[in-house]
Amino acid sequence: AQKITQTQPGMFVQEKEAVTLDCTYDTSDPSYGLFWYKQPSSGEMIFLIYQGSYDQQNATEGRYSLNFQKARKSANLVISASQLGDSAMYFCAMREGEGSGGSNYKLTFGKGTLLTVNP
Amino acid sequence: ETGVTQTPRHLVMGMTNKKSLKCEQHLGHNAMYWYKQSAKKPLELMFVYNFKEQTENNSVPSRFSPECPNSSHLFLHLHTLQPEDSALYLCASSPKLVYEQFFGPGTRLTVL
Repeated sequence: AQKITQTQPGMFVQEKEAVTLDCTYDTSDPSYGLFWYKQPSSGEMIFLIYQGSYDQQNATEGRYSLNFQKARKSANLVISASQLGDSAMYFCAMREGEGSGGSNYKLTFGKGTLLTVNP
Repeated sequence: ETGVTQTPRHLVMGMTNKKSLKCEQHLGHNAMYWYKQSAKKPLELMFVYNFKEQTENNSVPSRFSPECPNSSHLFLHLHTLQPEDSALYLCASSPKLVYEQFFGPGTRLTVL
């Protein structure tokens, strides 16, 4: 079974509008971390935002926010005021065992969503 | 130069060739990683090194041979590859194993 599911292979958004990229995850570990990365056509994976499973508030970083719904096991990325430079692949990833004293460092990635921002 | 760099950025090789991919990080990190990104598949972790010691080999075929001479450099030696090995190979580093990983731009490998 997939641990990270991104159901949207591609998304389109108009410049300056907000867009939500979906991510659901599957884990039985009570302690985990969720990440979003951006991959432009140049190839580099750029870290955007992190949410810990015990964090009380949703993470925010500038125009990026993470809509964390623990009971539904979803961690959607919201990009506000989209810019042309936001066009890229976006990957959701999970790391389990966050509170286990550092025994698990593996990131499990989803298949990604290709976001295209139209002018 | 800063961050994580990878060379070459593009590589085309035949199945009988031997080549090496290089990764260098200028961040003072102690952990380094190799990932494989194939089309329409999730990123796959291949190898992990922590303080120059290999801590993970994710069932990678022996035609891929990693080398980590020091905490700043990581190599992936390639020999007798198959066409299905064509992919983007990404290197990453982190201060310690459980910290956030920083990625390089990748090497686009094509095996003919």
